[in-house]
Amino acid sequence: DAGVIQSPRHEVTEMGQEVTLRCKPISGHNSLFWYRQTMMRGLELLIYFNNNVPIDDSGMPEDRFSAKMPNASFSTLKIQPSEPRDSAVYFCASSIGVSGEQYFGPGTRLTVT
Amino acid sequence: EDQVTQSPEALRLQEGESSSLNCSYTVSGLRGLFWYRQDPGKGPEFLFTLYSAGEEKEKERLKATLTKKESFLHITAPKPEDSATYLCAVQTRGGSYIPTFGRGTSLIVHP
Repeated sequence: DAGVIQSPRHEVTEMGQEVTLRCKPISGHNSLFWYRQTMMRGLELLIYFNNNVPIDDSGMPEDRFSAKMPNASFSTLKIQPSEPRDSAVYFCASSIGVSGEQYFGPGTRLTVT
Repeated sequence: EDQVTQSPEALRLQEGESSSLNCSYTVSGLRGLFWYRQDPGKGPEFLFTLYSAGEEKEKERLKATLTKKESFLHITAPKPEDSATYLCAVQTRGGSYIPTFGRGTSLIVHP
């Protein structure tokens, strides 16, 4: 298996622009997690899906962030409009069930100028 | 509120110098404790799951142990390739089962 796939790997955008991050989980995994990692705050859970349904989005910072999972093999995290404080590495992870044994993608490094 | 604290924040070792990393937790009921390794520029990589006090898991030079309040990741005779950030996460009984991650320990092993 190719593991969790994320795209793009790097994104540089200007403040106010829309950013879309993409994730393909491991086949057969039914839980998907979006995390943000910064030096200041460490690894933060933004939202997680179980069987394509959003279960807990309490970590989503504000209404500028939205996430979808239209099918079992694809999820997006959208930021609109983006702000400099959104600069971070965003990870997608998948697991079988809501497990602490998660498999992470390589991440998307987002820089908002 | 569930809390996970890792110490030290950073650790420098000479090659072959054994040491331990600590993950202490305060949770209402532990369902599982997980160790991850994260290399620079990469996502965390799952290492071990521990479920109950007294349990131990080993992989090459790493051994993870668990008590009712903390977990240790023992590194025996480390090599430079063991340099990475090590994260622990805890999952509690009840609630959403969402794991809570610690801030990690950055380990550098000098040749």
